[in-house]
Amino acid sequence: SQTIHQWPATLVQPVGSPLSLECTVEGTSNPNLYWYRQAAGRGLQLLFYSVGIGQISSEVPQNLSASRPQDRQFILSSKKLLLSDSGFYLCAWSNRFERLFFGSGTQLSVL
Amino acid sequence: RKEVEQDPGPFNVPEGATVAFNCTYSNSASQSFFWYRQDCRKEPKLLMSVYSSGNEDGRFTAQLNRASQYISLLIRDSKLSDSATYLCVVKGGGNKLTFGTGTQLKVEL
Repeated sequence: SQTIHQWPATLVQPVGSPLSLECTVEGTSNPNLYWYRQAAGRGLQLLFYSVGIGQISSEVPQNLSASRPQDRQFILSSKKLLLSDSGFYLCAWSNRFERLFFGSGTQLSVL
Repeated sequence: RKEVEQDPGPFNVPEGATVAFNCTYSNSASQSFFWYRQDCRKEPKLLMSVYSSGNEDGRFTAQLNRASQYISLLIRDSKLSDSATYLCVVKGGGNKLTFGTGTQLKVEL
């Protein structure tokens, strides 16, 4: 069966510090991978999605970047965090552009 | 107009009540529709897909009205464990999935 791992679960970082969130998927090959952010009281905002290794599409201009160095690995990064980067970050995968399976999320607080 | 709109609630209902949520979408070319459930500080999980003819899964019924561009979720015989946020999700052109901001349900004794 397929599983998705996302870590860490919580993260507190100072403004201006770098960020690296990692997500891996097991039990499937060539999945579509996604990074979403959910700010307090707001809906899920799609940040990046990837249909294959090295293929990244960005949905919104921002302070973040994503990379897919391996088929089942998706990384969200930032060189310098802003206060506005705080939120609940969710990695997800799908085998088509249909049902999404989410990781358990990372609660990021930038102080 | 937002691509997907939901009443944020909260809907406070007694246990055993029937409650319905609506969700409207702006893109008439939208192809697929879903309801996800999200518990506080947890990841969203698929509750059910929404089919054109309407579909039922136990106490949950989902319906689609393409003419009026809305989908609905009906929960019968509400349980305390149904308390959560319910997210409407629409797949539009370009295979993009758009999430609504969610409707919060609180089922009370």
